[in-house]
Amino acid sequence: AQTVTQSQPEMSVQEAETVTLSCTYDTSESDYYLFWYKQPPSRQMILVIRQEAYKQQNATENRFSVNFQKAAKSFSLKISDSQLGDAAMYFCAYGDPGANNLFFGTGTRLTVIP
Amino acid sequence: EAGVAQSPRYKIIEKRQSVAFWCNPISGHATLYWYQQILGQGPKLLIQFQNNGVVDDSQLPKDRFSAERLKGVDSTLKIQPAKLEDSAVYLCASSQTWNSDTQYFGPGTRLTVL
Repeated sequence: AQTVTQSQPEMSVQEAETVTLSCTYDTSESDYYLFWYKQPPSRQMILVIRQEAYKQQNATENRFSVNFQKAAKSFSLKISDSQLGDAAMYFCAYGDPGANNLFFGTGTRLTVIP
Repeated sequence: EAGVAQSPRYKIIEKRQSVAFWCNPISGHATLYWYQQILGQGPKLLIQFQNNGVVDDSQLPKDRFSAERLKGVDSTLKIQPAKLEDSAVYLCASSQTWNSDTQYFGPGTRLTVL
């Protein structure tokens, strides 16, 4: 099975500042999908951003962007202009195109300091 | 558009008792997933349905866990008998298709086994 590693159990950022969450993964596939999901406390998991491995261009969704380094198997999430509502657990996930299984990392808890 | 619905939201049972969880996916979504999320970990896939057929149940502890999706819409996940280590959040997700499509998650059921 593919493995996803999030080496930062906790991160903090000042409101309005920028923070980057790290994710690495291991796969022998050339075609796959990567996701960042946000899980606020006691609330459901929601999709933040998605990246297709065949696309060289990094995905962007408003204040959220990724740095996808395919050769290094790295997929980091940058949150710009951090807001209090960004506080949550963030999970990196790898998607297997053959079966659509998602393999999740252990998560990074982000705290936003007012 | 209504999201993925799950019930109950919380359940407390004694070990060796049985419990059932219910999930209603987003309308029109053919693929349904059950994940187990143990505290401090990322979700782990238990079973994946495509319409009413099982695509992947390789991680489902079949001696005690069972799941069904009889009419290709709602699904139930059952644990019988429950063990202490089954304490977790059980997440249901759905996607339009099975092939690398984005998964949308429900709010989860938090199970505590005493």
